[in-house]
Amino acid sequence: DIQMTQSPSTLSASVGDRVTITCRASQSISSWLAWYQQKPGKAPKLLIYKASSLESGVPSRFSGSGSGTEFTLTISSLQPDDFASYYCQQYNSYSWTFGQGTKVEIK
Amino acid sequence: QVQLHQSGPGLVKPSQTLSLTCAISGDSVSSKSAAWNWIRQSPSRGLEWLGRTYYRSKWYNDYAVSVKSRITINPDTSKNQFSLQLNSVTPEDTAVYYCAREGERGKELLRSFDYWGQGTLVTVSS
Repeated sequence: DIQMTQSPSTLSASVGDRVTITCRASQSISSWLAWYQQKPGKAPKLLIYKASSLESGVPSRFSGSGSGTEFTLTISSLQPDDFASYYCQQYNSYSWTFGQGTKVEIK
Repeated sequence: QVQLHQSGPGLVKPSQTLSLTCAISGDSVSSKSAAWNWIRQSPSRGLEWLGRTYYRSKWYNDYAVSVKSRITINPDTSKNQFSLQLNSVTPEDTAVYYCAREGERGKELLRSFDYWGQGTLVTVSS
């Protein structure tokens, strides 16, 4: 299986900050990378698919970039509703794996 | 609007079979532009994709290597739902289980999950 390594595992930030989360794949996955937001007790919510495509209804302050093995999720101006955990997820050869998550906390 | 609603027991004894069902509204389990998945989440294993079923003129399944010998995912077209069976469970299978849809964007499967069920905490304990 392809391993996904997310960093950092925890991030402390303030409202209005620009936030960047990185995800590295153990081998090339082209652009098959998605990002999710999860709040406690809730299912993950799709934010970005195919590395950089914004899911319908997701605010434009979220953006994704990268290809191959290195990918980035950026929140351009952190809002109170954005304090949550974020996960990357890859697809390759009929198998899906997730990163271990990044918790975005209030500074 | 697609909605997925999960049902099934929250407690299973070791060595027994875990069974969950996911009822679909707003889409069809037989859709040729979707796939229907089970994913679980635990503190020790994180988010783990388990498998999927989908219809493309016939039914197909894909399963994660880690559970392949113990898992079955079946569609039920009469009730527009799909199910998960995981055999020979151990305490390591304790997790929140989710059903999820892989939809399409622009005639291409997402390779990610756009709609999720509410989650079911399943505890494996005697």
